[in-house]
Amino acid sequence: GQNIDQPTEMTATEGAIVQINCTYQTSGFNGLFWYQQHAGEAPTFLSYNVLDGLEEKGRFSSFLSRSKGYSYLLLKELQMKDSASYLCAVRPPWNQGGKLIFGQGTELSVKP
Amino acid sequence: EAEVAQSPRYKITEKSQAVAFWCDPISGHATLYWYRQILGQGPELLVQFQDESVVDDSQLPKDRFSAERLKGVDSTLKIQPAELGDSAMYLCASSLVEGDSRGRGNTGELFFGEGSRLTVL
Repeated sequence: GQNIDQPTEMTATEGAIVQINCTYQTSGFNGLFWYQQHAGEAPTFLSYNVLDGLEEKGRFSSFLSRSKGYSYLLLKELQMKDSASYLCAVRPPWNQGGKLIFGQGTELSVKP
Repeated sequence: EAEVAQSPRYKITEKSQAVAFWCDPISGHATLYWYRQILGQGPELLVQFQDESVVDDSQLPKDRFSAERLKGVDSTLKIQPAELGDSAMYLCASSLVEGDSRGRGNTGELFFGEGSRLTVL
């Protein structure tokens, strides 16, 4: 089975940097995704890691260590609009069809 | 930009009534997913289709929930009878899959619709 853990909530200040951690225990692994979800809206794709290391995309970066079952999402130069829930999701091996298994989400509040 | 279409956006019903949700995935996406998201939690997979076939419905409460994708394009999720605990956001998503020539090199990310928020009274 799959178990995904991430903090329930975090608070940060506008302009600062925040790191949201995610740990997972899986019986197979085929990629890790981060999604952003504003209240009442659908999740939107932020980043994807399948190999160890850092992927950078503008103000957002995501890191993966497969041996440690660990990932983090790094948000720089925080803006008020970054207040949202951030979902970590693991994809099992392709023979399970490509579905994603989501963590509970981390509610990030950005304060002035 | 292509989007996943869902309807209705909001649905209020009384317990024991029937309710149905519709989803039209992004054109060309063979894989379609229905997720349920309870407030404050992450999405939970209910059912996954590859074309018109069910790939995974292990978490679908089959005594009251049913899902179909008859022509391998759009899909319907039905609940009958609805219970208070069914109040949630029902999210539809679609994706390309590995091996699909149109998706070669793609991440297989899921594209979500706006969701259907169900309130059962």
